[in-house]
Amino acid sequence: NAGVTQTPKFQVLKTGQSMTLQCAQDMNHNSMYWYRQDPGMGLRLIYYSASEGTTDKGEVPNGYNVSRLNKREFSLRLESAAPSQTSVYFCASSPWTEDRDGNTEAFFGQGTRLTVV
Amino acid sequence: AQTVTQSQPEMSVQEAETVTLSCTYDTSESDYYLFWYKQPPSRQMILVIRQEAYKQQNATENRFSVNFQKAAKSFSLKISDSQLGDAAMYFCAYRSAVAPSNSGYALNFGKGTSLLVTP
Repeated sequence: NAGVTQTPKFQVLKTGQSMTLQCAQDMNHNSMYWYRQDPGMGLRLIYYSASEGTTDKGEVPNGYNVSRLNKREFSLRLESAAPSQTSVYFCASSPWTEDRDGNTEAFFGQGTRLTVV
Repeated sequence: AQTVTQSQPEMSVQEAETVTLSCTYDTSESDYYLFWYKQPPSRQMILVIRQEAYKQQNATENRFSVNFQKAAKSFSLKISDSQLGDAAMYFCAYRSAVAPSNSGYALNFGKGTSLLVTP
């Protein structure tokens, strides 16, 4: 069972370059999320998608765009990378309510360490 | 948006002892979910325990238990018989349970507590 798969695991970009972080889940979850994690700041929500076809801004959306391609996939795009976007990025998914096993929690990908120089 | 506050940036506990990590949250909703996640140095986010707000009974998972005080909006994690493998960052998180709500299904995290376990 793959769970949540994030690619790539590591990436170095030059300032001004663009890139897309990919995320896919195989748990039939409705909700998907993108977070960034910086030292001392916890996980801050960038964007989330409550269902296929909808996306909403989180706490720190500036400089990012997202696409909920289908129920499985939720991508995060940096159009013009800046050093301030150096961070570890996590994708996650969760059911709306309790799933058939009574679970409500979010499952996370392994993270992408992005460095912008 | 709902906010989650973890007031202890770092905590330390001796092996086999008990430690309690604090979490408070701010919400006007009556139905929601609360979670504690563990993040070891591997960076993987691991669910420790969850609590549904409509359940009055505190959740327990082996050595991990919570003290859920809904009126006080408090959700603390107690780790009993601490082990070296418990050393990690611990995050408290909140998620709405009502669909749709003004904040959708945003899953909001606190800033984390770094737990050190000493032999």
